Amino acid sequence: SAVISQKPSRDICQRGTSLTIQCQVDSQVTMMFWYRQQPGQSLTLIATANQGSEATYESGFVIDKFPISRPNLTFSTLTVSNMSPEDSSIYLCSGGQQETQYFGPGTRLLVL
Amino acid sequence: QKEVEQNSGPLSVPEGAIASLNCTYSDRGSQSFFWYRQYSGKSPELIMSIYSNGDKEDGRFTAQLNKASQYVSLLIRDSQPSDSATYLCAVNNDMRFGAGTRLTVKP
Repeated sequence: SAVISQKPSRDICQRGTSLTIQCQVDSQVTMMFWYRQQPGQSLTLIATANQGSEATYESGFVIDKFPISRPNLTFSTLTVSNMSPEDSSIYLCSGGQQETQYFGPGTRLLVL
Repeated sequence: QKEVEQNSGPLSVPEGAIASLNCTYSDRGSQSFFWYRQYSGKSPELIMSIYSNGDKEDGRFTAQLNKASQYVSLLIRDSQPSDSATYLCAVNNDMRFGAGTRLTVKP
């Protein structure tokens, strides 16, 4: 298994600012993903974080709004840029080998 | 568009009963199927994976896969109040999730 940590665990931000969320895995993993989860809703995949190359974004998500880095096999960041109240959500990263993914505890973001 | 469909529930069963959760998927080429459990306010945790047609049992949990009919199900035997959670179905390692089924087990 993999243990995944995220920082920050929660934040309250002002409209128009940006927040970078960090995801750290305790072992090397081949796959890392970023999700968004609204209260009471399921997980929406934002993008696949690719090591050493640009992330692969899902429909409705763009690099300018959600830039992602993955400099190595254990670490990734997601930035939520130019935030608006609609970006208030829980952001989760996951990581693992091909078939098995483990989730971080999530980052609760509130945009005022 | 690849889709994963679940009945969002809520599903309520009495303690000790069998809870049956279902998931259908649209991509006939899907090979890997996962069930995650998510307690309120927590992140999802993997409870079962299945890759071949048929049943796979792990304790009180049984995953069933039927690729011809494109569905995967999760049975929870002897349901306990601690099983009350949202159960998420995921397909393939591109990790698309269904909407989740909220299960409540009543004492």
